[in-house]
Amino acid sequence: GAVVSQHPSWVICKSGTSVKIECRSLDFQATTMFWYRQFPKQSLMLMATSNEGSKATYEQGVEKDKFLINHASLTLSTLTVTSAHPEDSSFYICSARVRGTIDTQYFGPGTRLTVL
Amino acid sequence: KNQVEQSPQSLIILEGKNCTLQCNYTVSPFSNLRWYKQDTGRGPVSLTIMTFSENTKSNGRYTATLDADTKQSSLHITASQLSDSASYICVVSASSGGYNKLIFGAGTRLAVHP
Repeated sequence: GAVVSQHPSWVICKSGTSVKIECRSLDFQATTMFWYRQFPKQSLMLMATSNEGSKATYEQGVEKDKFLINHASLTLSTLTVTSAHPEDSSFYICSARVRGTIDTQYFGPGTRLTVL
Repeated sequence: KNQVEQSPQSLIILEGKNCTLQCNYTVSPFSNLRWYKQDTGRGPVSLTIMTFSENTKSNGRYTATLDADTKQSSLHITASQLSDSASYICVVSASSGGYNKLIFGAGTRLAVHP
């Protein structure tokens, strides 16, 4: 089946630093990738939609200057949390939509971010 | 407003028992409904997907039902195992101008005890 990977799987950083999370579709092309954030005991919250070769679309309330998204190829999207603060600590999950489909998405395993 | 509500919020059952999780939705226009299993600290994994015309779909010990008239779905787990302990998320896909948008439920946290 289709596989989506994320790297790193977990990261601990100091407040004020920036952290980059990678999302890769390993065996299919994805023109669109999605970034979600999940707080403990809550469901996934869509942060932004990342389209290959164009600017990301952010959901209401998500700061685009804080969460930088780059989708440079059909298999890679990156999320950079800039000037991270403890309240940014969360579980970040990406998903990738299979090219040519309207909603066939596969989720990555997630990245646990802890900001001290 | 598109919404997906799940019940119960959490559930504890003994190993070997059956259980049923519920999902009610108000999503329009409806495209399909999926059930995902999410282990702690992992990404969601698809269990079943059903379109408007499908009433039931099975995947091993998991059986999902869909009543498009009442906008309700259920996920039945048979002969539960300890490894079934996870969050189960109901996700409804809404048609949205070419690409669909996923509407997530809050999930049901299932704990299977020996």
